Formats: sequence, structure tokens, C-alpha cells
Amino acid sequence: DARVTQTPRHKVTEMGQEVTMRCQPILGHNTVFWYRQTMMQGLELLAYFRNRAPLDDSGMPKDRFSAEMPDATLATLKIQPSEPRDSAVYFCASGLDLNEQFFGPGTRLTVL
Amino acid sequence: KNQVEQSPQSLIILEGKNCTLQCNYTVSPFSNLRWYKQDTGRGPVSLTIMTFSENTKSNGRYTATLDADTKQSSLHITASQLSDSASYICVVSVLSGANNLFFGTGTRLTVIP
Repeated sequence: DARVTQTPRHKVTEMGQEVTMRCQPILGHNTVFWYRQTMMQGLELLAYFRNRAPLDDSGMPKDRFSAEMPDATLATLKIQPSEPRDSAVYFCASGLDLNEQFFGPGTRLTVL
Repeated sequence: KNQVEQSPQSLIILEGKNCTLQCNYTVSPFSNLRWYKQDTGRGPVSLTIMTFSENTKSNGRYTATLDADTKQSSLHITASQLSDSASYICVVSVLSGANNLFFGTGTRLTVIP
């Protein structure tokens, strides 16, 4: 049963600390997305990759957020330094191009 | 401005009843529209995807309709079950542009016994 996995599932940290979230896309998928979800804003696209190359990260605050795909089986989203307003659920999704996306279970981040 | 608006924001219905969720969009040029179901604490799961030429698509008790002229879509749930309690998110894709996915804020459905 192929599925997207994300770690950690929950993260509580203090303001100013670095946070790294990891995602393992479904094997064979060539597109990976990072989303942030809050009650107020709903789902927001932060960045996405195709064939490991970043195609769009316009939704991501560049000064503190960075997204990478070191290899086809791992995508990372890093926040440094973290702020309380970054508290949200971060979802990774993978798919074949943009036709379908399979979401992971998310990482719930709380920044105190 | 490209937008996707969903209504109602929340809905409570009795088990066994039908309901309809609405999605209006202004995004252009339209590529496709998807409905997702998101259970509490989980990631969204795709229910249906429709392109410009499709008017209706079903997935079990879920039926989505699309009127590309009026830029409206609806998701109809038949004979609701307790497990239908979730958020339903409408997502519209445009044909071009770097960021081509536009999300509604969702409708929170609660089915009560």
C-alpha cells in the first residue's frame, strides 16, 4: 500500500529554533508538493518540485523557509529561525505531474 | 484575482440525509477542478477530478457537478454516514503559471446520528 510518509508527525519547539520536516514521496512519483494548513488560511501551497528540481516556491517566505530534495526518496522543508506564526500543519504530497496528488499525514508544528 | 470560494463554511446533518456543498471560482484559464475529503488529523484525499468538458462525476455516494460557464461546482453526498464527517476542499487548477493550484477554505461537514 504505497503512501506518502512524513516525519515527525508532531513537533513542538521554541521560537528561534530550527525545524526540519521530512517527506518520503510515493515511489515513482515525479512531483512533490509542500503545503501549510491553518484554520484561518486553509491549505496554502509553499513549494513544489518536479523531478527533484524546484519549480515554484513563491508561496514560501524565503528569508526563513527552504525546501530541498536531496534525492528522489526524500524531500525536506526547513524553517530557520522558527516563529510562533509558523505554527500550522505542514503537508507533503506527491504525484505524477499535476494530475493527482496523494497527501501525507502531515506534521503538526507548534512554535512557542 | 483568482479565487475559490466554498459554501457553507460548516454544515450539520442527520445520518442518512443528503447534502450539497458549493464551490464557486473565478480562476482562469480553467484546467480542472478537484474535490478532496480531509478527515480530522489526516491529509486530504481526492474524491473526484473534472476537466472542462465534464459535467458530472461520481465516486460512490459522492457526485460532483461542474458548470464551466457559471464557474460553479457542487459536491452532493447521498445517504450520509457518520464517516462522511470531514472537511471538503475544492481545488481549481489553471492551465498555466508557476502557481496554478487555487484552494477553497473548505466546508466542515458533521453528520450526527
